[in-house]
Amino acid sequence: RKEVEQDPGPFNVPEGATVAFNCTYSNSASQSFFWYRQDCRKEPKLLMSVYSSGNEDGRFTAQLNRASQYISLLIRDSKLSDSATYLCVVRRAGNNRKLIWGLGTSLAVNP
Amino acid sequence: SAVISQKPSRDICQRGTSLTIQCQVDSQVTMMFWYRQQPGQSLTLIATANQGSEATYESGFVIDKFPISRPNLTFSTLTVSNMSPEDSSIYLCSVDQGTDTQYFGPGTRLTVL
Repeated sequence: RKEVEQDPGPFNVPEGATVAFNCTYSNSASQSFFWYRQDCRKEPKLLMSVYSSGNEDGRFTAQLNRASQYISLLIRDSKLSDSATYLCVVRRAGNNRKLIWGLGTSLAVNP
Repeated sequence: SAVISQKPSRDICQRGTSLTIQCQVDSQVTMMFWYRQQPGQSLTLIATANQGSEATYESGFVIDKFPISRPNLTFSTLTVSNMSPEDSSIYLCSVDQGTDTQYFGPGTRLTVL
């Protein structure tokens, strides 16, 4: 079993739709959680960190459930420019700051 | 945020040869990492490049195949040695400035024939 698991998709949604991505992690000692975005043939870039209390950044909402070891990302009012791969990322406890990456969920927003 | 450049951006190489990829950061950073992303796969950490000492390799990666240099706090190289078609991948360096964010270089797209 992979340490970070995501549904690879693809998710095909119309503009304006709301879409949710889920991610589970297996290491209960994981310390920090992130969503990164990767456009085709580009490097990953941080979309948002995920905090226990949940956090929102514009149309994007991230939530963490430590008990279930589950992370989610909600995108409201999807735009064409949201089309990308969304990577769930977990940092293990300890001081080596190593990140563990999910396979990514592919999103295509259609006109 | 750190600005990271990588050279070359892409290359096509013959099997059995070696390629050295350079990663340059515009500021001093404590931690630099090298990743591989094979087609359809997630990012896989190859090693942590330590300044002034040997790199720390992840399981499945060895120094003879992926020698790494880190001569200072702004520069690192990764060499892919004795290449085979299975080494065809995107190689990415990243830096961690002690915040929650890792910043990535644009990647080096390697094709081995």
